[in-house]
Amino acid sequence: GQQLNQSPQSMFIQEGEDVSMNCTSSSIFNTWLWYKQDPGEGPVLLIALYKAGELTSNGRLTAQFGITRKDSFLNISASIPSDVGIYFCAGQPGSARQLTFGSGTQLTVLP
Amino acid sequence: NAGVMQNPRHLVRRRGQEARLRCSPMKGHSHVYWYRQLPEEGLKFMVYLQKENIIDESGMPKERFSAEFPKEGPSILRIQQVVRGDSAAYFCASSPLGTGANVLTFGAGSRLTVL
Repeated sequence: GQQLNQSPQSMFIQEGEDVSMNCTSSSIFNTWLWYKQDPGEGPVLLIALYKAGELTSNGRLTAQFGITRKDSFLNISASIPSDVGIYFCAGQPGSARQLTFGSGTQLTVLP
Repeated sequence: NAGVMQNPRHLVRRRGQEARLRCSPMKGHSHVYWYRQLPEEGLKFMVYLQKENIIDESGMPKERFSAEFPKEGPSILRIQQVVRGDSAAYFCASSPLGTGANVLTFGAGSRLTVL
């Protein structure tokens, strides 16, 4: 099956720093999504990308859909304590409705 | 305006028992998806259902697992004769009719522990 390689696996940063994480795939995806999951909760959608090359922002978050359609990155600027959590990329292949998730990036923001 | 409701939030079962996990989609949503998350991993697709119809069960284990979404009532994920490897968080998501998976809304999950 399709797999997404997400990196880094974990990050420890100081409050105020910028963060970058990315996902790559051996297969093409038609949609890339970025989710955040807090402990004990379900994933919450942060950003959705629908076109190759698309760059989309949501507040301090910016994500891009790679030109090859096989990768995406998420940037968080000026991190704050509430950014702590696990960030997942997810891709939707072709016309299939199900999502393929990356293994997650655990973000810790130090005061 | 409740979101996707899952219950129980936590379930403990002994090996060989049955586990039933319930999911009520958001109001107006007619598509339900079940995902499983093992510790330290991402979510893995299991099954996609509409009312009274399984659309895609390509992620479901061939044995012991079943899912339904009846005309009335919640969607049910049923795991028979549970084993320790079934311990995981099971997430349900829903979407409106006519939209793709990218507008999924996830529930808070049901965490199954098999002793």
